[in-house]
This record gives sequence, C-alpha cells and structure tokens, in this order.
Amino acid sequence: DIQMTQSPSTLSASVGDRVTITCRASQSIGSSLAWYQQKPGEAPNLLIYQTSTLEGGVPSRFSGSGSGAEFTLTISGLQAEDFATYYCHQYNSYSWTFGQGTKVEI
Amino acid sequence: QVQLVQSGTEVKKPGASVKVSCKASGSTDNYIHWVRQAPGQGFEWMGWISPNGFGTNSAQKFQGRVTMTRDTSISAVYMEFKRLTFDDTAVYYCARQNTASYHFDYWGQGTLVTVSS
Repeated sequence: DIQMTQSPSTLSASVGDRVTITCRASQSIGSSLAWYQQKPGEAPNLLIYQTSTLEGGVPSRFSGSGSGAEFTLTISGLQAEDFATYYCHQYNSYSWTFGQGTKVEI
Repeated sequence: QVQLVQSGTEVKKPGASVKVSCKASGSTDNYIHWVRQAPGQGFEWMGWISPNGFGTNSAQKFQGRVTMTRDTSISAVYMEFKRLTFDDTAVYYCARQNTASYHFDYWGQGTLVTVSS
C-alpha cells in the first residue's frame, strides 16, 4: 500500500495567516491527490482534487500544488471557519489511502 | 444534487455482524467506496462496489469479513461487516468515486458502529 505522511500533525495559527500543509507519498502517485476538510462530527468535505483543481464552491484562498510524491495545501488568509482537520488522499493505481490528518487550531 | 444518506447508529456485541446502508440520490451510476474512521483517528479504506453491483474489491485486511452489495433498483448500497471486535468501533462512511477521476467527491453522513459487550 502507498503510505501518506502529512506534516505537521497540528498547526497553530491566527485568522489572516497563510498556512501550508505537506503530504508525502511513499512512492510516486502522479497528480492523483485530493485534500479534504473535516470538522468535528461531520463527514469530510472535498476541497481539491488532481493536486490543484478546486472543487466547485470552495473558496479561492485554498490552493494545492505538487506532483510525484510531494504535495502541499495552502490556505491564504485563514478564516475562522477554516479551523478544522485536513486530510490528503491518494487515489493512484486503484488504491486509496489517506494521510493521518493535520489539525489547524487557533 | 448528489446525496448519500446512510442508515443510523448501531450498537453490536463482539462477534456480531452489522449491515450499513447507503442510499444515493442524484447521479448514482458510480463506484461506491466504504471508508471508516475510528474515534480520533484518520481514514481507512475498506473496499468498493461497481456501478452494476457485480464487481467488488476490499482491502486485504478486511477480506473475508466485509461484503458489499448493491440494489440498483433503489440506488442503495450495503456493507455487511462480520465478526466484529472492539477495534471495529468507528464511523463508517460510503463515498462516491468521481467518474472522471478516482477521488471521492461525495460522502455519506457516516454511521457510527459501536462494538460493546
């Protein structure tokens, strides 16, 4: 299985900050990477897929980049509603695995 | 608008089985995956079922314990999980695989399965 390693596991930030979360795959996954946001008690919400394509309705302050085995999620201008846990998800070669999550807290 | 609506909370004893349903509305001709999340943990992929219900695949860890079925006439997908242990306590999600890419674009609300004696 392809292992996904996210860093950091917890991130403390303030409203207005620019934050970056990194996700590394144990092998190349091309561009087959998505990012989800999850708030307590809720299902994950798709933010970005194919590394950098923003899902409809997702604010433009979210962006994704990378390729191969290293990827980043950037939130430019953190808003109060962005405090949540973020997960990367690879879907390459008919396998599906997730990072362990990054909690963005105040 | 696509929606996946799952069945409600379940409490089971060790060794029992549970069957979780996932009913789709909107575009339903997609692979459906099952993913679980133990309390305070990340996500673990369990398996998928094909649009016509004739194909399934599950993670090696769950093979022999998980059965996925589909009733296309009512756009419902089911996941039966057998021989439950305390470690199977988790929220179980169904998720739709996007047609063009393989990511999960819509998720059910989740079903909490608690295994308790």
